[in-house]
Amino acid sequence: AQSVTQPDIHITVSEGASLELRCNYSYGATPYLFWYVQSPGQGLQLLLKYFSGDTLVQGIKGFEAEFKRSQSSFNLRKPSVHWSDAAEYFCAVAPGYGGATNKLIFGTGTLLAVQP
Amino acid sequence: SQTIHQWPATLVQPVGSPLSLECTVEGTSNPNLYWYRQAAGRGLQLLFYSVGIGQISSEVPQNLSASRPQDRQFILSSKKLLLSDSGFYLCAWSKGLLSRTGNTIYFGEGSWLTVV
Repeated sequence: AQSVTQPDIHITVSEGASLELRCNYSYGATPYLFWYVQSPGQGLQLLLKYFSGDTLVQGIKGFEAEFKRSQSSFNLRKPSVHWSDAAEYFCAVAPGYGGATNKLIFGTGTLLAVQP
Repeated sequence: SQTIHQWPATLVQPVGSPLSLECTVEGTSNPNLYWYRQAAGRGLQLLFYSVGIGQISSEVPQNLSASRPQDRQFILSSKKLLLSDSGFYLCAWSKGLLSRTGNTIYFGEGSWLTVV
């Protein structure tokens, strides 16, 4: 069965420091991969997505993610974190081309705190 | 552009009372519609999805039901709420199957339900 693992439940970084949030997936073929961000009490906003092609994907708000097939990972990165980035981040996976599903499987999320 | 609205934003209901959360999508036709639940400290759980009017797929057997009376309207209901139904409910939509390149789920702002 497909699954998504976000091993870090909670991360604290200083403002201006770099950030990497980890995401590992379990799926037989190359899936479609997504990162969403959720501010407190709000819905989810799409940061970026990977379908095919260049394995380094650029998203909104200065985020990027790299798909590494050999490691089954899709880690989210940002070179310099801003206080407004404090939120919960969710990695998600859907079956890739050839699959037929409406299920988007989410990880349990990583809560990011930013210290001044 | 497409927009998604869900209401009410916040709801406090006694145990045993009924529930109705409503979601509408504008700016698109024949969307796939979803209801997700996010319980405290847990990831997002897919409850129901619909590919068309009157077509509902249930992912998790429980105290809830969903209906799609119109193309862009999706309703989450319960006849008798349980304490365990408390959580953050998110409506979402996509244009077609998630396994097709480019298709993405877009979320509403969510509804907080507290059962007391």
